[in-house]
Amino acid sequence: ELKVEQNPLFLSMQEGKNYTIYCNYSTTSDRLYWYRQDPGKSLESLFVLLSNGAVKQEGRLMASLDTKARLSTLHITAAVHDLSATYFCAVDSVFQGGSEKLVFGKGTKLTVNP
Amino acid sequence: KAGVTQTPRYLIKTRGQQVTLSCSPISGHRSVSWYQQTPGQGLQFLFEYFSETQRNKGNFPGRFSGRQFSNSRSEMNVSTLELGDSALYLCASSLSPRPNTEAFFGQGTRLTVV
Repeated sequence: ELKVEQNPLFLSMQEGKNYTIYCNYSTTSDRLYWYRQDPGKSLESLFVLLSNGAVKQEGRLMASLDTKARLSTLHITAAVHDLSATYFCAVDSVFQGGSEKLVFGKGTKLTVNP
Repeated sequence: KAGVTQTPRYLIKTRGQQVTLSCSPISGHRSVSWYQQTPGQGLQFLFEYFSETQRNKGNFPGRFSGRQFSNSRSEMNVSTLELGDSALYLCASSLSPRPNTEAFFGQGTRLTVV
């Protein structure tokens, strides 16, 4: 069964610093998603990565996908307090018959300190 | 364009009771998936519906059930509630069954079983 591992699970960083969150998954998949969740809120879609080598950037966040290594990264540049949230990666897992579900990592709780 | 609407937002129930949660997908979206989020287990897939048919189900006991109506609205039901059913239940809608269509999440229903 597909397993998705994120690290670190907790990340405390200072404003202005850079850091990377890693997402490894156990079986072949060409689609990976990054979501953001604020406390008590729902999941907000950040990036959809659909092919090997895909790179997407939005503001201070950049996500990439290496399907051969089964690895995605979420890079944070010059962090600001507003980025404090929990970040999840998710990968499609295929059922017999072709339907799919999302398998999520446990999330990375990011705290950006002034 | 209205997003995914889940009702109620908060529920408190007693062990042994049953509960029904509702999800209205984005207009035009025909696929609805349900996920359970707990601190211990993280985000876990419950089931997916398309055209009033359950396409697949996650590894949950039979106490968890759902249905979808002709207008694509979906309900999930949990019978004989247990303390461990306390969780945030998230509904996601997509244009058609995945893959290749992005899932958008509702605000969730926070269920507390006492």
